[in-house]
Amino acid sequence: EDKVVQSPLSLVVHEGDTVTLNCSYEVTNFRSLLWYKQEKKAPTFLFMLTSSGIEKKSGRLSSILDKKELFSILNITATQTGDSAVYLCAVLYSGGGADGLTFGKGTHLIIQP
Amino acid sequence: GAGVSQTPSNKVTEKGKYVELRCDPISGHTALYWYRQSLGQGPEFLIYFQGTGAADDSGLPNDRFFAVRPEGSVSTLKIQRTERGDSAVYLCASSLDRGETQYFGPGTRLLVL
Repeated sequence: EDKVVQSPLSLVVHEGDTVTLNCSYEVTNFRSLLWYKQEKKAPTFLFMLTSSGIEKKSGRLSSILDKKELFSILNITATQTGDSAVYLCAVLYSGGGADGLTFGKGTHLIIQP
Repeated sequence: GAGVSQTPSNKVTEKGKYVELRCDPISGHTALYWYRQSLGQGPEFLIYFQGTGAADDSGLPNDRFFAVRPEGSVSTLKIQRTERGDSAVYLCASSLDRGETQYFGPGTRLLVL
């Protein structure tokens, strides 16, 4: 059973649109949730969220975590073609034997000019 | 400053051969992680080093996979008797310490023929 589920798996929008990407998780001993952007090979870090309800913002991107409902969203406003990428959500949790991040399958976002 | 680097960027080998993949983490980062990413999937955790020791190897799929980090910096992932199913992108990440943000390298794309 997948511990981290992202939706939608793919999304095509036009330049200038606003998109919301979703990530739900089901783990015990949650520590943090991270968002990455993957264009070629290396996932590049976007946000790390540990507290509920506190929005993190970087330019046109923002993200928020809800630890009660166990989900996070990533918003991108005024999208540009350079935003086209796979957006990965990952959770770090204690126990279960894994000290690494557990990733979702990603959302493949395509921004059309 | 320099990020995480990985060599080679691409590796093609034949079934049954031995391969070594190298990761050079960000200077000063004590934690180092190896992940494997198959097409259309998120990265999957393999092993975590804290300093020189493998603190968590629960993600290694079988005993053909082994990793070392002898001086607490550079790490090598070793795969014996490669199989076609080992074909994937192998990503390395490092963080300042356990639980901190992980920064990824560009990965090694391994193809086993």
